[in-house]
Amino acid sequence: QSVLTQPPSVSAAPEQKVTISCSGSSSNIGNNFVSWYQQLPGTAPKLLIYDNNKRPSGIPDRFSGSKSGTSATLGITGLQTGDEADYYCGTWDSSLSTGVFGGGTKLTVL
Amino acid sequence: QVQLQESGPGLVKPSETLSLTCIVSGGSISSYYWSWIRQPAGKGLEWIGRIYTSGNTNYNPSLKSRVTMSVDTSKNQFSLRLSSVTAADTAVYYCARAACTGGSCYNDYWGQGTLVTVSS
Repeated sequence: QSVLTQPPSVSAAPEQKVTISCSGSSSNIGNNFVSWYQQLPGTAPKLLIYDNNKRPSGIPDRFSGSKSGTSATLGITGLQTGDEADYYCGTWDSSLSTGVFGGGTKLTVL
Repeated sequence: QVQLQESGPGLVKPSETLSLTCIVSGGSISSYYWSWIRQPAGKGLEWIGRIYTSGNTNYNPSLKSRVTMSVDTSKNQFSLRLSSVTAADTAVYYCARAACTGGSCYNDYWGQGTLVTVSS
């Protein structure tokens, strides 16, 4: 049981847009910044978004992040087959004094 | 470009201690937090803990009694020890750099991961 809640799977057609939600509480998302990671099959996770909505160098602007209250959302536009991956949200939990991740969302590009 | 590389035994016997080291290259280990994260086959990411270069640590409460992390700034590396392992500790173990300031903490560089299997 993950501290952060994500839908197990989402799907959309190529060139369409998809959003992935991440729900937490006041001790984690509500008072800390959220990051998002992409994990392609058989590879290590890769940072996609940090501090709720910032993109590291090299991450295309098709990827965006937002936060409202105790929830965060990852958006991906112009879907490509290469975007098929598992996506994880993460943040710090101030009550537990630990890092926490969502359970992950598998994106399928139909 | 910062690179991280995990090393350690791929097979550990039940009840023994899992030991992994992460070597950091392309940048100094100083002034950052360094994390260990694991992923059982087909499952999600589990945060194990982090260590600052001063030696200050935070551990996952569910693993705290069995986890020890250490850092060696002279060798630009940090380590994980997990004692009394069981089959449930079988996973791919990742080391990562954690950029943490105030309420912001994210893992920007990751190792490739190393599979550790607990079996007799």
